[in-house]
Amino acid sequence: DAKTTQPPSMDCAEGRAANLPCNHSTISGNEYVYWYRQIHSQGPQYIIHGLKNNETNEMASLIITEDRKSSTLILPHATLRDTAVYYCIVNTNAGKSTFGDGTTLTVKP
Amino acid sequence: DSGVTQTPKHLITATGQRVTLRCSPRSGDLSVYWYQQSLDQGLQFLIQYYNGEERAKGNILERFSAQQFPDLHSELNLSSLELGDSALYFCASSVDAGAGLDETQYFGPGTRLLVL
Repeated sequence: DAKTTQPPSMDCAEGRAANLPCNHSTISGNEYVYWYRQIHSQGPQYIIHGLKNNETNEMASLIITEDRKSSTLILPHATLRDTAVYYCIVNTNAGKSTFGDGTTLTVKP
Repeated sequence: DSGVTQTPKHLITATGQRVTLRCSPRSGDLSVYWYQQSLDQGLQFLIQYYNGEERAKGNILERFSAQQFPDLHSELNLSSLELGDSALYFCASSVDAGAGLDETQYFGPGTRLLVL
């Protein structure tokens, strides 16, 4: 299974863009990159996913490098409610989802 | 609200006991996943079922078992409970587990298990 590497923590000022990086150098051609977040002890929440192209939805943007070995989740205007643990995972069609330790994003006023 | 429901929300039991956690997936979803999250730790994948059949297995102990029923709800059975089994247990569901297709997972609110 492809593994991901994320920084353990990041800070961001409220109203600014939060850019969360993720390395997935062993990703295979048919594996999607997914981002989820977990606020306190709630169930993880799906944010966005992509295969090759950059993606944008109402929550965030996902930038995937051309070689697909890394990606960046962008929260364009972070709010205090975006403080959470952000998980980057690579989904295989085998169904095994490996969540690492994620990045704890703290949005500060 | 993800559409995934889990019961009970909280469970307190003693060592050596057996408990059953229940999960109802989103309407139309065929896959169910179970995860364990111990205090201040990441999500550990336990097992996945797709349309009633076991699809993938992760770090699931032999004391734990799961099944998915014809109506697609799933149960996770934990037996001979130990103190270290205290954790949050999350269920997630997705539409399909087909090869090459995406598998966006929608998580339930979790069951908090405390073993005393």
